[in-house]
This record gives sequence, structure tokens and C-alpha cells, in this order.
Amino acid sequence: KNEVEQSPQNLTAQEGEFITINCSYSVGISALHWLQQHPGGGIVSLFMLSSGKKKHGRLIATINIQEKHSSLHITASHPRDSAVYICAVGEETSGSRLTFGEGTQLTVNP
Amino acid sequence: GAVVSQHPSRVICKSGTSVKIECRSLDFQATTMFWYRQFPKKSLMLMATSNEGSKATYEQGVEKDKFLINHASLTLSTLTVTSAHPEDSSFYICSPHRTYTQYFGPGTRLLVL
Repeated sequence: KNEVEQSPQNLTAQEGEFITINCSYSVGISALHWLQQHPGGGIVSLFMLSSGKKKHGRLIATINIQEKHSSLHITASHPRDSAVYICAVGEETSGSRLTFGEGTQLTVNP
Repeated sequence: GAVVSQHPSRVICKSGTSVKIECRSLDFQATTMFWYRQFPKKSLMLMATSNEGSKATYEQGVEKDKFLINHASLTLSTLTVTSAHPEDSSFYICSPHRTYTQYFGPGTRLLVL
């Protein structure tokens, strides 16, 4: 079992739909990151959070430390949101080193 | 936001040659640099961790003599793939770290023929 599990692995949505990607982890963490990777490969850091909820534009990230679970929500999805979304955790015992989930491939159709 | 550059973005080389990848943090100083590789449709795999001015710490299974990492300054780190082979073809990503914040380079796609 991976230390960081994401679901779903693949997600196809229609433009405008509300999207949720889930991340569960099994270790104690110092922080959780949500990353976006476009087809060209470049990675963008969307959020880093250790508690509660953060919002940036149409993106919302939440984390429940007790349940070891985080969600990334995209409101009013758009084809340009199509990308791989990766959950990564910084473990308490390993400082700034990250452990990555397998990623969720999101495709938003017009 | 902070800017991280990697050069080259793509490289094709013959088997047996060495390839150097540069990673620069353009507007901040990175105390720690992580180097990752990523195979198609797979997640990032940590190769090594380096702190400025000291030797890199390599992950199990990563040959330190094959993947030479130099972190000579707080704004520049290099990864050299020595005597590259086709199985080294991959996407290499640097990730500089400064207090409480992790950044990612745009990546270098290496194809070894």
C-alpha cells in the first residue's frame, strides 16, 4: 500500500462541472501539497496546507488531519484545467522531503 | 512567485555520453535541492537531496557515480548523467526548497539513443 493514495486515477468532466480529487495518506505529516502538471511536464505548486482550507480562484483545497485526508476541488471547470493533479506530503520525520501520490489525470471537455 | 529554471529543457544524446542539467533559482536562495525523475505516467521519484556546499544524499538504488550532483551555490545545482544509457531516458525535475516552501523546475526531458 502506498503511503499516499489518490482517487480517482482518471477523471473526465464536462466544462462547468464541479470536480473533486481525493488524497489519503498514512503517515504523520508536516504539510500536504497539491501540484498541477501539464502535458509539457512542468509542475506548478497549487497549495501547501497543514490544516483547514485554502482557496485560490476556482481552486479549493481542504485537509482533515485526524482523518488523514485531503481534497482538491475545482469549481466551474474549464478545458484549460486539464492536467495531472498530484498530492504530495511532507512527512513529520523527513523534514522537507516529499512523498508523492500517483496523480489524477483530469480531462475537461468543452 | 519564485522562478526556477532548468536547462536544457530537452536533450537527445548518444549512449555513452554525459549530460549536464542545470537548475537555477532565479530570485531566491535554495537551502536544499531535491532531484526527481519521472517515467511516463508515473509519479515523481526522489533521486537525491543536496544541501549547498555538501555532498548529496542519494536514495536507495540511485548510483551516485552515475548521477553526479553538485550544489555549489544557493542558486545553482547541477545533475550530470554520466555514460548515459537508453534506460536513463526520463524526465528530470529539480525542486529547490527554502523555509516552508517547495518549488519545482520546469523539467528536462532526456532521450538517450
